[in-house]
Amino acid sequence: QKEVEQDPGPLSVPEGAIVSLNCTYSNSAFQYFMWYRQYSRKGPELLMYTYSSGNKEDGRFTAQVDKSSKYISLFIRDSQPSDSATYLCAPGVDSGAGSYQLTFGKGTKLSVIP
Amino acid sequence: DTEVTQTPKHLVMGMTNKKSLKCEQHMGHRAMYWYKQKAKKPPELMFVYSYEKLSINESVPSRFSPECPNSSLLNLHLHALQPEDSALYLCASSAVGQTQYFGPGTRLLVL
Repeated sequence: QKEVEQDPGPLSVPEGAIVSLNCTYSNSAFQYFMWYRQYSRKGPELLMYTYSSGNKEDGRFTAQVDKSSKYISLFIRDSQPSDSATYLCAPGVDSGAGSYQLTFGKGTKLSVIP
Repeated sequence: DTEVTQTPKHLVMGMTNKKSLKCEQHMGHRAMYWYKQKAKKPPELMFVYSYEKLSINESVPSRFSPECPNSSLLNLHLHALQPEDSALYLCASSAVGQTQYFGPGTRLLVL
């Protein structure tokens, strides 16, 4: 079993739809939970991060972590064509000396159709 | 400002060449990272520097040699690479206990 499982998609939705992106993980040591957005041929851009179970909202984006079931979600409301990108979940663990290691999911490629 | 800069943007090199990738951040972050990303794959961690010291080397071949001259700068020296090393090389930085911010990457092609 991989440490982080993420459905690679592709996922295609109409503009304005609510998008749900999900990951499961197996390592109970993960302390940080990130979502990155990556446009084609660009570096990953930090979208959301949480440190605990629960919800965190930022504009149209909501990140949800359930540590008991080891489940991570990202919801996008009122999706826009500019949201078309690959979304990577990335839980992380403290690796000491002020750094930490991220374990990336495979990424879900999202297309929002106008 | 959460900017990590990387140069060059693109690099083409032969298998006998020596080249270097450069990464810079001015956010005061004390941890810096190199990742390798192949097409349609997630980033794979290569090296981690904490307080200018190499703390993690993910069994990367010796033809990749990292260097951290100071707290703002991270280099990746390349020598005798193989065509399969062609990829997007990403640099990231983080403050203690904080999130990682990525640069735009260097797209490397080895001929």
